Amino acid sequence: LAKTTQPISMDSYEGQEVNITCSHNNIATNDYITWYQQFPSQGPRFIIQGYKTKVTNEVASLFIPADRKSSTLSLPRVSLSDTAVYYCLVGGFSGNTPLVFGKGTRLSVIA
Amino acid sequence: GAVVSQHPSWVICKSGTSVKIECRSLDFQATTMFWYRQFPKQSLMLMATSNEGSKATYEQGVEKDKFLINHASLTLSTLTVTSAHPEDSSFYICSATGQGSDTGELFFGEGSRLTVL
Repeated sequence: LAKTTQPISMDSYEGQEVNITCSHNNIATNDYITWYQQFPSQGPRFIIQGYKTKVTNEVASLFIPADRKSSTLSLPRVSLSDTAVYYCLVGGFSGNTPLVFGKGTRLSVIA
Repeated sequence: GAVVSQHPSWVICKSGTSVKIECRSLDFQATTMFWYRQFPKQSLMLMATSNEGSKATYEQGVEKDKFLINHASLTLSTLTVTSAHPEDSSFYICSATGQGSDTGELFFGEGSRLTVL
C-alpha cells in the first residue's frame, strides 16, 4: 500500500482557507485518494475522495496533479469546529482497500 | 451515507475480565470489516481484517487469542478483548466497506473507549 506523508500540524485563523498537502509517491494505478477528519474520541469521518484532477463537495476540494504523487485538501473559510486531525489515505478495493493510516495532520483553528 | 454503529461507546472493566465490542452496519451489508486501535495522540493502528463467514486476518504483533474477532453476518462483527489488562486500555474503532464498493470508502463507527482498571 502507498505510504503517505503529511505535515504533523498546522495552525490557521478562522475564515482563512487551509490547504493540507499529502505526498504519496508510490501510488498505484488503481488507487483512490481519500481524506478523513477525526475529532477527539470519535471515529474518522469521510471528507472527500478523488482519483485525478479536482473534486469538490460541500465541505472541501481535493486537488490532484497529473502524476498523482501528491494531493491537496482545501478547506475554505475554516471555523473553530474544523479543528481536528485530517488523514490522507491511498488505496482502493479489490484486495487493496485503504487500511493504513499515517500520522495525520492536526489542524488547529484559532479565533 | 452508510452508518456503522459500535456498542458500547465506553466500557470500564477490571483486569482479567473479558469485554465484547459490537460493530454493526445499519443500512448496508458489510462484506469486510476492520478493527483499529488508537492510543491518545496517536494515529489509528489496524488490528485485523474480518470477512463475513471466515477467520479474521490479524496484523503482525496483534495476538489473535487475545483479540477475538467474529464476523458471523454481513451486518455484525464483534471484537472480544480477553483477559484484559490496563495496557489494553485504548480507543477501539471499527470500519466497514459495503458490497459493490469499488473505491474502498470506509465507514467508521463512533469508537469504543475501553478502560481496564
